[in-house]
Formats: sequence, C-alpha cells, structure tokens
Amino acid sequence: GQQLNQSPQSMFIQEGEDVSMNCTSSSIFNTWLWYKQDPGEGPVLLIALYKAGELTSNGRLTAQFGITRKDSFLNISASIPSDVGIYFCAGQYSGAGSYQLTFGKGTKLSVIP
Amino acid sequence: DTEVTQTPKHLVMGMTNKKSLKCEQHMGHRAMYWYKQKAKKPPELMFVYSYEKLSINESVPSRFSPECPNSSLLNLHLHALQPEDSALYLCASSPRVTYNEQFFGPGTRLTVL
Repeated sequence: GQQLNQSPQSMFIQEGEDVSMNCTSSSIFNTWLWYKQDPGEGPVLLIALYKAGELTSNGRLTAQFGITRKDSFLNISASIPSDVGIYFCAGQYSGAGSYQLTFGKGTKLSVIP
Repeated sequence: DTEVTQTPKHLVMGMTNKKSLKCEQHMGHRAMYWYKQKAKKPPELMFVYSYEKLSINESVPSRFSPECPNSSLLNLHLHALQPEDSALYLCASSPRVTYNEQFFGPGTRLTVL
C-alpha cells in the first residue's frame, strides 16, 4: 500500500517564527490535503491541492503540490499561539478504483509565546 | 451549511451495551465515511458509503455495524465492544468518493469499560 512520510514529527517554535513541514510518498498522488486537528476535535481542512506544481495560500498558510506528485509541503508564516495542534497531510490516488485518503502520521506543533 | 455534526460528543459504555453514533451533513455530499482515531495517531478508515451504499469495509469487526438511512445521515451501531475499541470516532463527508475533499465532524469520544 501507499505510505506517507511526514516530517518533522514535532516542533517547538517561538511565536512569530515561520514553520515548514512536508510529506513525501513512494507513490504518486492526484490530490494532496492538509488538515489541522485540535485536541479532542475532528481534523479541519486547511488547504486542498489538485495539480502538480500548484501553490495555494489560505491566510498565513501556503501549501504546494510537488512537481513529481510524490510530495507536498505546508508553510505557516508568523506563527501565533492558536496555530498549536497536529497537522496531517493526506493524499489520494484515484487509480485502480481506489479513492481512499492515505494520511501522514502528523506533525505536532507547539508555539512558545 | 458546511458542517458535519456528530452525536453524542462523549459516550461511555459497558461491554454488553448496545449504542449508536450518529452523523449528519447537509452539504449535499454523496460520500460519507467512518474513521477510528487512537491518541497521537492519524485517522484509520473503517467504512465508506457512496450514494447510500456501503462501498468499503476495511475488515472492521462485526461488532461495528454501519447504516446509511439517507443521503444526509450516517449511523454506527455498536454492540459487545472491547476496551481496546475506546477511541475518537470521526465521521466525514465529501462530494463524491472520486472528489475526496473530506470534511470531518467533531468526533465522538468513546470509552468502553
């Protein structure tokens, strides 16, 4: 099956710093999604990417769909305390009748005020 | 309405109990999903419904029984659960299984005693 490697596993940053996390796969994906999950809550969709090379922003968040279709990154600029949470990447390969999402293991972000 | 709602928020049950989790969406989505999430892990897919028909069952034990009464509702019936079934149960929906931008509900925190 497809596997996603998400890094880093965790990070501690100062408020105001920029953050970068990424996901890589051994297989190609047609769609990349980035989610944020707060403790005890469901994941919230942050950004969806559909085309290789696509760069999309949502406020202070920017995500890119890698040219090889095997990777994606998420950047957060000027971090604030409410950015704390677990960030998951998820990829979908629409081939051979399979449409399920494959999730990365998550990046736990801590922001020090 | 861009929300997926889930009830109850918390559920504690004994191993001999029968209970149900409920999920509702009014976004006109025709794909709905049940996931199980353990602490510090990504969501694990359990079931997929496409146009109210079960299309994927990820080898889930029969003590979990899904039901999709109509295009807006998804239930998960629970019977004779084990303590290791304690987890956050997440419902999600997407426009179609082939358009997999999934929106998650807040989850039901299940504790099996």
